Amino acid sequence: SYDLTQPPSVSVSPGQTATITCSGDTLGEKYVSWYQQKPGQSPVLVIYQDTSRPSGISERFSGSNSGNTATLTISGTQAMDEADYHCQTWVSSAVVFGGGTKLTVL
Amino acid sequence: EVQMLESGGGLVQPGGSLRLSCAGSGFTFKDFAMTWVRQAPGKGLEWVSVISGTGDPTYVADSVKGRFTISRDNSKNTVYLLMNSLRAEDTAVFYCAKGLWGSDYDAFDIWGPGTLVTV
Repeated sequence: SYDLTQPPSVSVSPGQTATITCSGDTLGEKYVSWYQQKPGQSPVLVIYQDTSRPSGISERFSGSNSGNTATLTISGTQAMDEADYHCQTWVSSAVVFGGGTKLTVL
Repeated sequence: EVQMLESGGGLVQPGGSLRLSCAGSGFTFKDFAMTWVRQAPGKGLEWVSVISGTGDPTYVADSVKGRFTISRDNSKNTVYLLMNSLRAEDTAVFYCAKGLWGSDYDAFDIWGPGTLVTV
């Protein structure tokens, strides 16, 4: 089976840039999506097809994907960005999620 | 407004069965893939199953293969998840989500509030 690896936690100061990684074998050859999930809420799609933002998602969210690593970048991080972030791809007839990363805004 | 709404969760004994439903509204239901994703308490997201807009093909996670079946009724704008031989480890909030496209499964843009299944 295919695995996506995320760091369990990332911390960032308000106003700084947060970077969350997602690693998998030849991940750069696949499309990656990112979801934000706040406590007690459903996931929200923030990035799809590596770099695209759905309507209504802040321009502070951006994505990239190359080699074995996809990256979600949040610029000018705000307290409201504190949440769990999950990466996701489609491979070998299966939807695969990473383990999730808890972003803390200190 | 585009939305998804799950129903059918509840408490079930080990070995029992449950059928979840998820109704979509505000969009042309048959044009989009649908997926079920679960989240055990305090854990990450785990994919369960996905179905194309036409209803074929379907795919299911190895962890539930042979026990869970996904289906859809486009005339009712509803996707289903039939769960048999339930185990304690199936306890989770089950979400349904709408795909961005009909037969590509790399992104899901509208999620329901979830329904809790306790085994």
